[in-house]
Amino acid sequence: QSVLTQPPSVSGAPGQWVTISCTGNTSNIGAGYDVHWYQQLPGTAPKLLIYTNTRRPSGVPDRVSGSKSGTSASLAIAGLQVEDEADYYCQSYDSRLSAFVFGSGTKVTVL
Amino acid sequence: EVQLVESGGGVERPGGSLRLSCVGSGFTFDDYGMNWLRQAPGKGPEWLAGISWNGGKIRYADSVKGRFTISRDNSKNSLSLQLNDLRAEDTAFYYCAGERGYTDYSWFASWGQGTLVTVSS
Repeated sequence: QSVLTQPPSVSGAPGQWVTISCTGNTSNIGAGYDVHWYQQLPGTAPKLLIYTNTRRPSGVPDRVSGSKSGTSASLAIAGLQVEDEADYYCQSYDSRLSAFVFGSGTKVTVL
Repeated sequence: EVQLVESGGGVERPGGSLRLSCVGSGFTFDDYGMNWLRQAPGKGPEWLAGISWNGGKIRYADSVKGRFTISRDNSKNSLSLQLNDLRAEDTAFYYCAGERGYTDYSWFASWGQGTLVTVSS
């Protein structure tokens, strides 16, 4: 059971906008720890997509954005494209576990 | 270009040992903390262990504390993970990852391609 909860799947048509939620508690996201997001294409390693809640590494398009509020965070993908089909994971730190923790993962399907 | 290449995975029996290695290139290896993570088939990533730039600070997830040992050799741009007393639940892809940020606020900016560890009798 993952410490951070994500919906198992989300889907949208090309060009649409989808969001993925990441829900934690007062020992991780709610304690003020940053949230980071990773994209994992089939058969490959995870790749950093968003860091420190809202920042994009170079090369990540600005149609991808992140936000954080209270004990939750969200990843938004606008203008959905076929190449966005992947698994997405959120990550933070948990002070009760003294460990970096990941979400359960969300599979994005482009219809 | 930042590159991390893992090696050392394979099939091992329960109770056995393996040593994983990771070599970094394309960046100043000893400027950054390094970590090991794993991902079981169909599951999300799990952080296992982290080591600071000079090896002075090491920490482990409870699930591997006492069984796994992380180390680094900056002269060789290398990171290692010694896996002892292997269990079936240790079966996974193992990744090394470069850390950015500050202590508990860090993220994993670069990942290797992974090496598969299978524990089976």
